[in-house]
Amino acid sequence: DGGITQSPKYLFRKEGQNVTLSCEQNLNHDAMYWYRQDPGQGLRLIYYSQIVNDFQKGDIAEGYSVSREKKESFPLTVTSAQKNPTAFYLCASSIVLAGPTGELFFGEGSRLTVL
Amino acid sequence: DAKTTQPPSMDCAEGRAANLPCNHSTISGNEYVYWYRQIHSQGPQYIIHGLKNNETNEMASLIITEDRKSSTLILPHATLRDTAVYYCIVRRTNDYKLSFGAGTTVTVRA
Repeated sequence: DGGITQSPKYLFRKEGQNVTLSCEQNLNHDAMYWYRQDPGQGLRLIYYSQIVNDFQKGDIAEGYSVSREKKESFPLTVTSAQKNPTAFYLCASSIVLAGPTGELFFGEGSRLTVL
Repeated sequence: DAKTTQPPSMDCAEGRAANLPCNHSTISGNEYVYWYRQIHSQGPQYIIHGLKNNETNEMASLIITEDRKSSTLILPHATLRDTAVYYCIVRRTNDYKLSFGAGTTVTVRA
């Protein structure tokens, strides 16, 4: 079935370590996104990419990095520069339309805990 | 993007209609209203969207006021599985820089 796969589902990290969260989609979508969600709050945009080899910062990009070398993949690295990385991370994708932007399809999320 | 205002929480009886309000008084002419929902610890799910006409699909109906300053999402026959956080957002065509507010936590009670 088509969809978005995030891995790992749960991840524990020691302070000072970089970690990479995987996001793969087989929907043939051009646009991909990374969001962060803290308990009881909404989703904040970290990075987004409309096309391969191009990406833009969202509202809270500091301490994070991404790459978009393939259409189906958009990995997120949480670096040691991110001061409070414990959160629920969501990846999404959408088609790119000339009219109203396509709906977002989300993965099941990755929960990162810094020990 | 125009900002939206939603009540933080609401309860609904199973089998009854749930009416979820959203205020977007600063919406501009080229912004669409979208609704998503997020069941606990899962990724959000798209429900419906509209520009100025009322819309209906198999999940819900969307009623947008004539001045487009507010909208209501209607779940016609709420079930326990509809318990979730519901997000109302507005976005322009080809706007990819999109964030979600705190939404409305809807609890459907038996």
